[in-house]
Amino acid sequence: EAQVTQNPRYLITVTGKKLTVTCSQNMNHEYMSWYRQDPGLGLRQIYYSMNVEVTDKGDVPEGYKVSRKEKRNFPLILESPSPNQTSLYFCASSSPGRSSYEQYFGPGTRLTVT
Amino acid sequence: GNSVTQMEGPVTLSEEAFLTINCTYTATGYPSLFWYVQYPGEGLQLLLKATKADDKGSNKGFEATYRKETTSFHLEKGSVQVSDSAVYFCALSDPTSGGFKTIFGAGTRLFVKA
Repeated sequence: EAQVTQNPRYLITVTGKKLTVTCSQNMNHEYMSWYRQDPGLGLRQIYYSMNVEVTDKGDVPEGYKVSRKEKRNFPLILESPSPNQTSLYFCASSSPGRSSYEQYFGPGTRLTVT
Repeated sequence: GNSVTQMEGPVTLSEEAFLTINCTYTATGYPSLFWYVQYPGEGLQLLLKATKADDKGSNKGFEATYRKETTSFHLEKGSVQVSDSAVYFCALSDPTSGGFKTIFGAGTRLFVKA
């Protein structure tokens, strides 16, 4: 089954404790992206990657890091989480092959930083 | 810059009522337009799309027409069901980034009462 998986689905942590949210896709997509969803703000892009070893900042990259060492994986790293990073996070992937760039989303990770 | 504006929610309807969710966009070039739906506790999934002016996207009884002259992509359904209760996001693929960057509206929550 074609899918994007994220782990963990729920995470409660404390300020300053480094964490990683994993994302993996099995569709051989070139493009992957991380978003955060906050009430009234919709989805805002954090980082995106156009292929292995190619990443770039989205609209709200501060406080986040990413890496793309393999095509299927795109982890999101919070080196020193703060309460304002409490949010719902989504990973997504897409491929330019169909030229419409529709995205496939993971189920989301709800992060709470206390 | 490029942007998407959609009507604020929540929208509350009775079953079998007609639905319209307005969406307008600002973009240079010729973006692809999308409607995504998010059911409670899940990630976003593509509902329908249109890739050029005057195209009509349709799926599960929902429709939207790409209107370049009014820069709009309004979502409609003739008869909503309780199971349509969800958050709906209008989105465009940003042509200035080669189509890789997707810009989302803030989302419109729909409640359908039995």
